[in-house]
Amino acid sequence: DAGVIQSPRHEVTEMGQEVTLRCKPISGHDYLFWYRQTMMRGLELLIYFNNNVPIDDSGMPEDRFSAKMPNASFSTLKIQPSEPRDSAVYFCASSWGQLNTEAFFGQGTRLTVV
Amino acid sequence: AQSVTQPDIHITVSEGASLELRCNYSYGATPYLFWYVQSPGQGLQLLLKYFSGDTLVQGIKGFEAEFKRSQSSFNLRKPSVHWSDAAEYFCAVGARDTGRRALTFGSGTRLQVQP
Repeated sequence: DAGVIQSPRHEVTEMGQEVTLRCKPISGHDYLFWYRQTMMRGLELLIYFNNNVPIDDSGMPEDRFSAKMPNASFSTLKIQPSEPRDSAVYFCASSWGQLNTEAFFGQGTRLTVV
Repeated sequence: AQSVTQPDIHITVSEGASLELRCNYSYGATPYLFWYVQSPGQGLQLLLKYFSGDTLVQGIKGFEAEFKRSQSSFNLRKPSVHWSDAAEYFCAVGARDTGRRALTFGSGTRLQVQP
């Protein structure tokens, strides 16, 4: 398996623009997570899905952020409108099974909002 | 709520020296415990995990970690560090009994290896 695939790897956008980050989880995994990594706050969970259904979105910063998972092999994280403080590395991860097994991470998307 | 503390933000060791990275957790029971490594520009890779049983866990790249319930700790060790071990290391906990599936990560320890 190719692992968790995220695109794009790097994104530079202007403040106010819409940004869409994409993730393809590992085939057969039924959990998908979006994390954000910054120097100030470290790795923080934004939202996670189980079987394409959002389970916990309490980490989503505000209404400018939205996430969807239309099917088992694809998820998006959208920021509209983007702000400079959204600059961070966004990771997607996937997992499977009933136990709290490890999460497998993608290589991340480095977002810069200027 | 569960939480993880990694007291050391940055550690420098000489190549060939031993290494210990500290991790303390807060949780009502025994959680699932993990160590991940992140190389620059890369995602997180699992080094090892503890679910139950033997409290000394072996991982990849020669790493091991020991779960100590009395100290709520899960410290990572390596007897002889290689230059390629320079990276950032994250300890994480997962809930065992609440149904919350996502892992909670510590703030990370950046390891620098001197020649």
